[in-house]
Amino acid sequence: NAGVMQNPRHLVRRRGQEARLRCSPMKGHSHVYWYRQLPEEGLKFMVYLQKENIIDESGMPKERFSAEFPKEGPSILRIQQVVRGDSAAYFCASSGGTDNEQFFGPGTRLTVL
Amino acid sequence: GENVEQHPSTLSVQEGDSAVIKCTYSDSASNYFPWYKQELGKRPQLIIDIRSNVGEKKDQRIAVTLNKTAKHFSLHITETQPEDSAVYFCAASEGFKTIFGAGTRLFVKA
Repeated sequence: NAGVMQNPRHLVRRRGQEARLRCSPMKGHSHVYWYRQLPEEGLKFMVYLQKENIIDESGMPKERFSAEFPKEGPSILRIQQVVRGDSAAYFCASSGGTDNEQFFGPGTRLTVL
Repeated sequence: GENVEQHPSTLSVQEGDSAVIKCTYSDSASNYFPWYKQELGKRPQLIIDIRSNVGEKKDQRIAVTLNKTAKHFSLHITETQPEDSAVYFCAASEGFKTIFGAGTRLFVKA
């Protein structure tokens, strides 16, 4: 049973480009969470999704950031017109329900030049 | 908004000693408290968790205590080993909302 998968593991973008991060939850999990982690800091909640629904996006910047979890395929976190301040590790986690253990993916390390 | 405070930010212990990390939370509705260990460049991994109807839980060298009245919980690691060196995060959860502490960097000196 594969764990949470994320790709790419490393992503380099120039300012103004788009970054697209993918997350495949564990088999049987329908709850997906995205977190951002800056160097030497904790995990900051960005968005919580279930299949085809954004449940809570209160931690996600209102501009340039969007997320989706379609009926088929992985969840995608999209960052448009990236800026240097977007450089961070982005972790996705999945769970089988709320109040349950969240299993984390290996993360995508985004570097904006 | 909801907040989780974690202390200390850095902790250095001698191998074999105990390590204690403390967290406080603000949302009284929180009912699930996981602890994650993150090694350098790796993903956070759950090491122990506790629910609000339990005051203490132990798993080998790791234990967690919860005081709901005071809204604080602690991680205890006994007989520390060099491989325990990592960053440890506490979290408080209610429903889907999980708030993480800022992390404690634990160094275990051989």
